[in-house]
Amino acid sequence: GAVVSQHPSRVICKSGTSVKIECRSLDFQATTMFWYRQFPKQSLMLMATSNEGSKATYEQGVEKDKFLINHASLTLSTLTVTSAHPEDSSFYICSARGAAVAESSYNEQFFGPGTRLTVL
Amino acid sequence: QKEVEQDPGPLSVPEGAIVSLNCTYSNSAFQYFMWYRQYSRKGPELLMYTYSSGNKEDGRFTAQVDKSSKYISLFIRDSQPSDSATYLCAMAGWAGNTPLVFGKGTRLSVIA
Repeated sequence: GAVVSQHPSRVICKSGTSVKIECRSLDFQATTMFWYRQFPKQSLMLMATSNEGSKATYEQGVEKDKFLINHASLTLSTLTVTSAHPEDSSFYICSARGAAVAESSYNEQFFGPGTRLTVL
Repeated sequence: QKEVEQDPGPLSVPEGAIVSLNCTYSNSAFQYFMWYRQYSRKGPELLMYTYSSGNKEDGRFTAQVDKSSKYISLFIRDSQPSDSATYLCAMAGWAGNTPLVFGKGTRLSVIA
């Protein structure tokens, strides 16, 4: 399958700082990227959906001013956690999807390896 | 009621056992059904997907979908210690671009 990378894999920061996480599709053009958050022993919770060149669509309860998403190219999306606090500590995972082949066909999402954020 | 329900386990089985993992759902619009495997501190990887009722087999894995009961299953035959991971079911609507809705995941441990 296609490869999606994330950087950094782990970050530790002080409360109040901002952290940027990059998500790259290495061998395909990702027209849509998704950002998820996963707390320990919990499932993946969708935070936002971003389409290249458009503003991200945020899920209910996710602060768009706190979690800034930029999808400036077909291979790169970034998530910036602004003024991070300890409660933002979590595992952040992105996924990428190419253009749909047909309306009725399943369009697979490929997941990155995740970024573990710890806010002290 | 959540859209997708999955027993979080944990589930512990001896090596060689047959494992059955299940999810139920409430949204009739779901047409695509996926199973992902997630190792600790890693991103999920797609194991199998189906879009119709019935069985789909891939090696030791069999995915089963019963749309009438809104129930899906993943069977693992001859389970191995390397199968120890969290298994997440996920579903999506008919259009290929709808977001996935995940179950909570079931933690599986296969004991040698």
